[in-house]
Amino acid sequence: EAQVTQNPRYLITVTGKKLTVTCSQNMNHEYMSWYRQDPGLGLRQIYYSMNVEVTDKGDVPEGYKVSRKEKRNFPLILESPSPNQTSLYFCASSPPGGTQHFGDGTRLSIL
Amino acid sequence: GEDVEQSLFLSVREGDSSVINCTYTDSSSTYLYWYKQEPGAGLQLLTYIFSNMDMKQDQRLTVLLNKKDKHLSLRIADTQTGDSAIYFCAESINAGNNRKLIWGLGTSLAVNP
Repeated sequence: EAQVTQNPRYLITVTGKKLTVTCSQNMNHEYMSWYRQDPGLGLRQIYYSMNVEVTDKGDVPEGYKVSRKEKRNFPLILESPSPNQTSLYFCASSPPGGTQHFGDGTRLSIL
Repeated sequence: GEDVEQSLFLSVREGDSSVINCTYTDSSSTYLYWYKQEPGAGLQLLTYIFSNMDMKQDQRLTVLLNKKDKHLSLRIADTQTGDSAIYFCAESINAGNNRKLIWGLGTSLAVNP
């Protein structure tokens, strides 16, 4: 089944403790992207990747890192999480010129 | 700049049609999407329309695109209580190499029995 898988689905952690949210897709898509969803602000793009080893900032990249060592995986790294990164995070992937497929979301709470 | 706007709330009676409207600003959109999000859940792609189309029908869903007015609508026929959710309009734009989506804030649809 074609899908985008995010882990974990839920995480409560504390300020400053490094965490990684994984994203994996099994559709051989080149393009992958991370969004965060916040009430009243909608979904905003954090980072995107055109292909392996090619990543770039979206609209709200501060406090985040990403890597794209393999085509299927696009982890989101919070080196020193802060409470303002409490949010619902979505990973997406798409083929060239195609529609975007989203994961089920990861709800992060940073205390 | 890029912007997508939609009304925040819509209330309908079960069995009626719902029409959710959306306006966007970027004329270079390639795809326009409608996503559904139920409470605590992820984003479910409902339907999409390519920017060179005017209309797309998929079972109970009809999407109309007026490119001149940059207006997109989603019509849900015979609305059911299970259709209660937040509906997001999004446009896909090519910003250099970035195929990002610009999102509306969502329309909360309440279906009353």
